[in-house]
Amino acid sequence: QVQLQQWGAGLLKPSETLSLTCGVSGGSCSGYYCSWIRQSPIKGLEWIGEIHPHGNSDYNPSFMSRVTISTDTSNNQFSLKLSSVTAADTAMYYCARGTDSRKIQHWGQGTLVTVSS
Amino acid sequence: DIVMTQSPDSLAVSLGERATINCKSSQSVLYSPNNQNYLAWFQQKPGHPPKLLIYWASTRESGVPDRFSGSGSGTDFTLTISSLQAEDVAVYFCLQYAGTPRTFGQGTKVEIK
Repeated sequence: QVQLQQWGAGLLKPSETLSLTCGVSGGSCSGYYCSWIRQSPIKGLEWIGEIHPHGNSDYNPSFMSRVTISTDTSNNQFSLKLSSVTAADTAMYYCARGTDSRKIQHWGQGTLVTVSS
Repeated sequence: DIVMTQSPDSLAVSLGERATINCKSSQSVLYSPNNQNYLAWFQQKPGHPPKLLIYWASTRESGVPDRFSGSGSGTDFTLTISSLQAEDVAVYFCLQYAGTPRTFGQGTKVEIK
C-alpha cells in the first residue's frame, strides 16, 4: 500500500525559501506522476507542479520562476523548493502521487507552512 | 488555464436522500486518443487531505462505496451520492487533469439537513 510522508520547515520569514520533502513508501516516483499541491482558505486547492513518469517536469505558470520539484529515486523521495516566499504563500502543502489515469491519487498528510515576519 | 466551476457551493440533504454536485469546465477535458474525460472527484474531511473518489469522470476508485457515482462528458460533470450517509459530510472537489496547470473546483460542502 502506497503511503506518502512529508516533512519540512513550517515557519518561514518573507524572502526565504520553502523546502519540503515527500517520502514514498510502498513505491517510488519512478514511473509515476509526483505532484505538489497547496490549499488555502483564499485560493482553495492550487496545483504547484509535477514530475512526469519519464522525468520531465511541469509547473504552474503562477509559480514558474520560483519553483523547483526534484526527485531522489535512490531514497524514494521527491522535493519542493519555492523561493522568495511572501505571506501569500501561507498554506497547507500536500505531496501526491498518481498514474496517467489518475494523476493525483495518493496524498501526503500535509504540512502547514506559515510565512510571517 | 481551464477554470472549474462547481455548483452549488453548499447543500444540505436528509440522511438517505440523494446529493448531486455539478462541475463545469471552461474547456473540454475529453482526451480524444483514448476517449476518456480527465476529470476526478475528491472528498475532503476536516484535518485530512483530499481522498480520490472517482477518476476518468465515472470510474470509482477501489474501496469507494457504490453510492458514489460520477457522470458527464466534455465540459459538464456530476457527482451523485445516491443515499447520503452521516460519514459523507465533507467538502467535495472536482479536478481536471487534461491540461496543465491542473485545476480544481472551489469545492461543495455537503451537510445533513
